[in-house]
Formats: sequence, structure tokens, C-alpha cells
Amino acid sequence: EPEVTQTPSHQVTQMGQEVILRCVPISNHLYFYWYRQILGQKVEFLVSFYNNEISEKSEIFDDQFSVERPDGSNFTLKIRSTKLEDSAMYFCASSLGGVEETQYFGPGTRLLVL
Amino acid sequence: QKEVEQNSGPLSVPEGAIASLNCTYSDRGSQSFFWYRQYSGKSPELIMFIYSNGDKEDGRFTAQLNKASQYVSLLIRDSQPSDSATYLCAVNNGPGGSYIPTFGRGTSLIVHP
Repeated sequence: EPEVTQTPSHQVTQMGQEVILRCVPISNHLYFYWYRQILGQKVEFLVSFYNNEISEKSEIFDDQFSVERPDGSNFTLKIRSTKLEDSAMYFCASSLGGVEETQYFGPGTRLLVL
Repeated sequence: QKEVEQNSGPLSVPEGAIASLNCTYSDRGSQSFFWYRQYSGKSPELIMFIYSNGDKEDGRFTAQLNKASQYVSLLIRDSQPSDSATYLCAVNNGPGGSYIPTFGRGTSLIVHP
């Protein structure tokens, strides 16, 4: 069964460093999303992406965040200058159709900023 | 500020019983409602979505929506130990509004043999 994959599974970085989280959505899906979940907290929407541009973004998704689909398979989230409070689990998701359709989540990348 | 409230639990039920999970939301413009299951350390998995008032059944799961009371619930019949997880409620304002979902903190369900 097709699934969303994410790499790395864990990432440890120093505050102020740039990190890139990678996702491979399900191959025929057209809509892509990033969420984060701080330990013990709610899942929070970051951004949705369709047709090579951002569809919607939350207040969390400020100028330090960016997303890119550099090729036909990868979808990346870049955090330019990490802060301690960026430590969280980051989930990528994809859906075949619009946001009203089922979103399939990847296993997540656990990011720890020291 | 949109709020989605859930009792954090844990809700403990015996195997075979009905588990009832509740969620209230603050934004009257909410149009779409979702229930996700999240096992510890894992990603959310969509169980049900509901758009219209009333009940929607899928196997052992029933979602119930009451927009007037701003309340959505999930019933799990014949609960199994494998149902033990955190159940997340999420809402958004689409169609016709923003599809950005707001999640609740989740209710922890424990089904004991």
C-alpha cells in the first residue's frame, strides 16, 4: 500500500542552524501539507501546497519557514534559523484531491533543537 | 481564536463496551469535522469525517454532529484493546471558508481486556 515517507526520522541540531525535513508524498497525490506537534501538545497545521505554490499557511509558518517541491517526488520543509521552540515532531501529509479529502500522514521527523 | 476542546482522559472502558468521545468547538463557521486516531509516538490516522448534522456510521465507528450545540462525538462500539490510543478531533471552515484545520488536544482511550 502506498505511503508517505519522511526523512530523517530524528534530527538533532544546534539553535540557529538550518534544517531541511524531507517528505515523499504518495505518488499520485496533488496536495501536500506540513504539521507539527510539540511533545504533549496539539497537532498544528503549518502549510498546504498545491500546484507548486502555497495554498494556505498558518500564523506559525513565518519567514523562517519555507517549503519546496524540488522535483517530482520530494516535498521539503526548511527552517532557516532554528529556535529551541521549534523542537517538535513534524508530520508531512498528502491527499489526492483537496483538503476535504483524506490526508495520509507520514511517520514524522522528530526535531530536537539544542 | 478558534478552540477545539476535548477531555484529555484517560477514558477507560472494558473490552466489548461502547466508548464515547466528545469534542466541542468554538467557531460557528466550522463546516467539516474529523476524527483521527494517534497511537503513542505515531502519526495521526483519519478514522471518520462528517459534514452534516446527525450520525454517520462506518463499521464500529459512529460520528455524531450537532452544529447547534457545536458538538461532535465519536462512538466506538465493541471496543477492542487495539483501539487504545489518543483520539483527535479536528475542524475546519471549508467548504466556503479556510481549510486550515484546528485540532483538539485529544482524548486518551484505554480499552482493558
